[in-house]
Amino acid sequence: SQQGEEDPQALSIQEGENATMNCSYKTSINNLQWYRQNSGRGLVHLILIRSNEREKHSGRLRVTLDTSKKSSSLLITASRAADTASYFCATRYNTNAGKSTFGDGTTLTVKP
Amino acid sequence: NAGVTQTPKFQVLKTGQSMTLQCAQDMNHNSMYWYRQDPGMGLRLIYYSASEGTTDKGEVPNGYNVSRLNKREFSLRLESAAPSQTSVYFCASSEGNFESGYTFGSGTRLTVV
Repeated sequence: SQQGEEDPQALSIQEGENATMNCSYKTSINNLQWYRQNSGRGLVHLILIRSNEREKHSGRLRVTLDTSKKSSSLLITASRAADTASYFCATRYNTNAGKSTFGDGTTLTVKP
Repeated sequence: NAGVTQTPKFQVLKTGQSMTLQCAQDMNHNSMYWYRQDPGMGLRLIYYSASEGTTDKGEVPNGYNVSRLNKREFSLRLESAAPSQTSVYFCASSEGNFESGYTFGSGTRLTVV
């Protein structure tokens, strides 16, 4: 399977702490995206990082991409209770005409 | 701006019944997708439509059919529902190029008994 895999499966932290979750994939990608899913809702696109980029920021989010290790990480700084959600990485491969393959996600719980 | 709208939000079917899940987007996106999400898992692609007039199978197409009715609408049909199709179904759309993320609907929670 070309599916990305997130690690850890679950993460519990205190409000104000940083949260880091990782995504690994198996073959060369065109880009990698991160999504958030609140309980019972659809996924929301957070950030896209291209294969020729190493780091990208959006507000309190920082995404890194290491193509040599075929891995990416999502860092959420100064977490808030509202960040409680599941986070998914999605990989887009050059051969898949725009399709993205999703991992199983990391469930983040931020305790107030 | 509604984004991606899915109907219905909830549905209970008996084994063997058929139904159609509706999806419409108002962002003039070229590509549309149907995913299913089983408990504690990621999304698996059922079918997608790269552009109006085209449809292709994804990872798990068996038991489903789709119709890209026009640029806005992409429906998913279950001809003879089975308990294994109990899942949450998400429709998504994107501009269709490699640089665009997906916009998701809020999902249809389907139970087959």
